[in-house]
Order: sequence, then structure tokens, then C-alpha cells
Amino acid sequence: GNSVTQMEGPVTLSEEAFLTINCTYTATGYPSLFWYVQYPGEGLQLLLKATKADDKGSNKGFEATYRKETTSFHLEKGSVQVSDSAVYFCALSDPMDTGRRALTFGSGTRLQVQP
Amino acid sequence: DVKVTQSSRYLVKRTGEKVFLECVQDMDHENMFWYRQDPGLGLRLIYFSYDVKMKEKGDIPEGYSVSREKKERFSLILESASTNQTSMYLCASSYDRDGETQYFGPGTRLLVL
Repeated sequence: GNSVTQMEGPVTLSEEAFLTINCTYTATGYPSLFWYVQYPGEGLQLLLKATKADDKGSNKGFEATYRKETTSFHLEKGSVQVSDSAVYFCALSDPMDTGRRALTFGSGTRLQVQP
Repeated sequence: DVKVTQSSRYLVKRTGEKVFLECVQDMDHENMFWYRQDPGLGLRLIYFSYDVKMKEKGDIPEGYSVSREKKERFSLILESASTNQTSMYLCASSYDRDGETQYFGPGTRLLVL
């Protein structure tokens, strides 16, 4: 079956540091890949997505590139801010998994940014 | 903007009670989903619905049921709450394109005593 593996957290960084959160996946078809973010006390929000190999999703300074050869979708940001402190979820949608229509999520990575 | 609302942010119930969690979306989405979120486990799919009166089991449906009488509303029912159902429950909706780009509600944190 499909699965998503994320690096365990928490990840603790100082403000303006470079961020990488690793995500790898297993899927039967050619999935779309997503990063969602959950701020404290809130639901999940879509951060970025990529629908095919070599696509780069970007939003709010975050980027991730769909790497089919390494089955990865690592999240990066060049300079984090305190306001980026949240839990980040990697997810996939597999069109070959007919009827499911749902996302498969990783376990989440908590990011803590210190001033 | 898409809006997904959940009836309660926090609930405290006793073991054996019947619990209703309500979710409403305002964007005419075909698909609606219920997940539970637990530390270290991410989000796990309980049930989903792709049309009115249609429902499909997700990965962990045991102990839950759902109802979708209207397109905009999707209810999760715990027939007899147990302590292992203490969790954060998240509702989501999407257009009918294989579940891409799901929109989430704020979540309901349920404590079963």
C-alpha cells in the first residue's frame, strides 16, 4: 500500500536558519504530493503541492521538488521565522488507488523556531 | 474562500455515550472525509463520502459510523464512546478529483472519560 515517511521531530532552529524536512513516499502509481501545515490550535492548511515528477511547489518562501527517482519531496526554506513554528505534514494522493479519494499522510514533523 | 466548520472545538464525554461530530462545508464539494489525529501517528482516515448518502470505510472505521444526508454536511458518530477514542478529529472536503487539495476544518478535540 501507499505510505509516507517523514523525519521525526521536533526540529529546533534559530530564526533565519535554513530548514529541511525530509519526506519519502511509496506509491503504486504516480501520485500528487503535498505539504500541509498545522499551526497551534488550528486545522491543516495546504502549504504547497506538486502533481508530477520534477515539478516544484512553492509558497510563503517554502519549496519542495517532486523527485521520482528518489521518491522524495523534501520541504525547504532558506530563512525560517518564529511564525513558521508549526507541525508539517507530507501527504500523497494516488490516482491508481481507485475509489479511495483520500490522502495518505506522514506522521508530521514539529518545527520550533527560536528568536 | 473555502470554509469547513466543525460543530465543537472541545468535547468531554463519558464512556458509553453516543457522540455526534458535525462538519459543514460551503463550497459544494463532492468529497468529505473524517480523520483522527494522534501524536506520532499523523492523520488516519476513518470514513469518507463521495456523494450524498454514500460512504466508504477508511483505514480505521471500527467503533465509528457516518451520515451524509445533505451534500454540505458530514457527521461522524461514535455509537458507544470508549477511552481509546480520545483524540483530535479533523473533517476535510475536496472537489471530485481523486481527493486532491483537501480543505480542513479546525478540528474537534474529544476527551472520553
